[in-house]
Amino acid sequence: AQKITQTQPGMFVQEKEAVTLDCTYDTSDQSYGLFWYKQPSSGEMIFLIYQGSYDEQNATEGRYSLNFQKARKSANLVISASQLGDSAMYFCAMREAGDSGGGADGLTFGKGTHLIIQP
Amino acid sequence: DSGVTQTPKHLITATGQRVTLRCSPRSGDLSVYWYQQSLDQGLQFLIQYYNGEERAKGNILERFSAQQFPDLHSELNLSSLELGDSALYFCASSPGSGGLYTQYFGPGTRLTVL
Repeated sequence: AQKITQTQPGMFVQEKEAVTLDCTYDTSDQSYGLFWYKQPSSGEMIFLIYQGSYDEQNATEGRYSLNFQKARKSANLVISASQLGDSAMYFCAMREAGDSGGGADGLTFGKGTHLIIQP
Repeated sequence: DSGVTQTPKHLITATGQRVTLRCSPRSGDLSVYWYQQSLDQGLQFLIQYYNGEERAKGNILERFSAQQFPDLHSELNLSSLELGDSALYFCASSPGSGGLYTQYFGPGTRLTVL
């Protein structure tokens, strides 16, 4: 079963608008981490933001914020005031702590959302 | 710049050959992870080492192996290469082994098997 689902394969957004990238996840662990990474056309994977399952506040990092809704198992990335340089692939990822008996593993990634910012 | 280095940046080789990819983690990080990114499989976790010991294994083929050395750099060895092994291979590092540490990725090695 897919553990991370990103339902938007591609998005076009006007520059300076806010954008929300969707991510839902599936886990039976109580302790887990949710991550967003950006991959520009150059190929590198850039860490953007992290949310722990026990964090009560939504994470924020500059123009990035994570809308964490634990009961809905959703961890959407919000980019405020989008810029042309935000055009890239965005990946949602999860790492489970392994407290449900499965053991800690690497990051599980979604298929990504290709975001294009238009001037 | 994440502080994680990977060499080489590009590698072109033929089917049946063996290659070694090298990774140096961020200063102070004890965990190294390897990932494969391909068009059909997406981003997949291969293997994790923590302070020289194998800690977790993902979808790593038997033809692939890895190790982490005392200076904490890691190597991923790919043998009997097939066309389908063409992919972008990432190394990532984190301070500890647990699930809640952020993993910082290197620039990747793009492997092309002809």
